[in-house]
Amino acid sequence: DQQVKQNSPSLSVQEGRISILNCDYTNSMFDYFLWYKKYPAEGPTFLISISSIKDKNEDGRFTVFLNKSAKHLSLHIVPSQPGDSAVYFCAASALNYGGSQGNLIFGKGTKLSVKP
Amino acid sequence: KAGVTQTPRYLIKTRGQQVTLSCSPISGHRSVSWYQQTPGQGLQFLFEYFSETQRNKGNFPGRFSGRQFSNSRSEMNVSTLELGDSALYLCASSLDGTSETQYFGPGTRLLVL
Repeated sequence: DQQVKQNSPSLSVQEGRISILNCDYTNSMFDYFLWYKKYPAEGPTFLISISSIKDKNEDGRFTVFLNKSAKHLSLHIVPSQPGDSAVYFCAASALNYGGSQGNLIFGKGTKLSVKP
Repeated sequence: KAGVTQTPRYLIKTRGQQVTLSCSPISGHRSVSWYQQTPGQGLQFLFEYFSETQRNKGNFPGRFSGRQFSNSRSEMNVSTLELGDSALYLCASSLDGTSETQYFGPGTRLLVL
């Protein structure tokens, strides 16, 4: 059973517009969430993270929103650029619970295409 | 600071062989995690090492093993390779594995024929 779900396998956005990538989770013990960007044949690159004590974290063009009651998080990219085209993975961790060291649970990813 | 490095980048093996992959974490990072990425299953956690000890293990068979050295470098070994072991193997490092973001290496692409 998938604990982290990214229900949209792909998303296409026009350059300059907002990209919104969504992620849902089922495990209420998750307390730390991350977004990674991945190009083919490369390792994931860390983008932004958020702790469960917050509901928003911003870094430049990237903002992550967390809705704990809905067990939902989203990544907003504004404005979107062609170089943002990649696969985006949502990941979660239960940092404050034993037995979870070093273990990130990943969604299956959303392929973002930003068209010029 | 140099990032996470993994060697080799590409590897071709045949069924039944064994393989060893290497990972050097970011300087100062003591936790190393390994993941397997396949098209069907996505990224799946294999195991995590900290201070030369395996602290956490995912749901993989015993053919998958690893170790960590005193300089925090880690190796992963897969014995008796099967076709289904073809995947991208990713290593990630963090300061202590419990409170910090993980940073990934470029991965080792393993093809089993």
